[in-house]
Amino acid sequence: AQSVTQPDIHITVSEGASLELRCNYSYGATPYLFWYVQSPGQGLQLLLKYFSGDTLVQGIKGFEAEFKRSQSSFNLRKPSVHWSDAAEYFCAVGSMYSSASKIIFGSGTRLSIRP
Amino acid sequence: DTAVSQTPKYLVTQMGNDKSIKCEQNLGHDTMYWYKQDSKKFLKIMFSYNNKELIINETVPNRFSPKSPDKAHLNLHINSLELGDSAVYFCASSQAVKGQPQHFGDGTRLSIL
Repeated sequence: AQSVTQPDIHITVSEGASLELRCNYSYGATPYLFWYVQSPGQGLQLLLKYFSGDTLVQGIKGFEAEFKRSQSSFNLRKPSVHWSDAAEYFCAVGSMYSSASKIIFGSGTRLSIRP
Repeated sequence: DTAVSQTPKYLVTQMGNDKSIKCEQNLGHDTMYWYKQDSKKFLKIMFSYNNKELIINETVPNRFSPKSPDKAHLNLHINSLELGDSAVYFCASSQAVKGQPQHFGDGTRLSIL
């Protein structure tokens, strides 16, 4: 069965510091993977996705993620965080189920920014 | 233009009542979804429809009934509301193609008194 683990419930980093959010997945075949961000009171916004090809994917807002099959990981990184990056971040793994895309979300990592 | 829109944004009601949440998408997607996000922010899929046909139906009480009048709309009707139904409900849509992401609405916060 598919599953996604985000081992860090809450992370605090200083503004301008680098960031890495961890994500490990369990999936039998080649997965397609996503990172979403949720600001307070808002829906989920797609940051980036991996389906195939280059294992380093670039996303919006200066985020990137690297797919490492050997480690079953898809960690999210940003070289320098801004106060506006404070939000909840969700890693997700997807598969096709008939004509729908079934996505399993991790439990989320809350990011706080220290001024 | 809002891509996936849900109404209402907030819903406060009493236990035992029946309520509906509406969702519309203008992205031209064939597939729509309902998710429930609990107080711990955990997101779980409830239903998925493709072109008005039910595709995914997770273990959800039958008090929850989705209805899709056309592929741009997916409504959620909940009968006999219970305290445990308090959550944020998200609608989403996607193309029915492998690897395509889902696009989410802003959510409906349901509070049961």
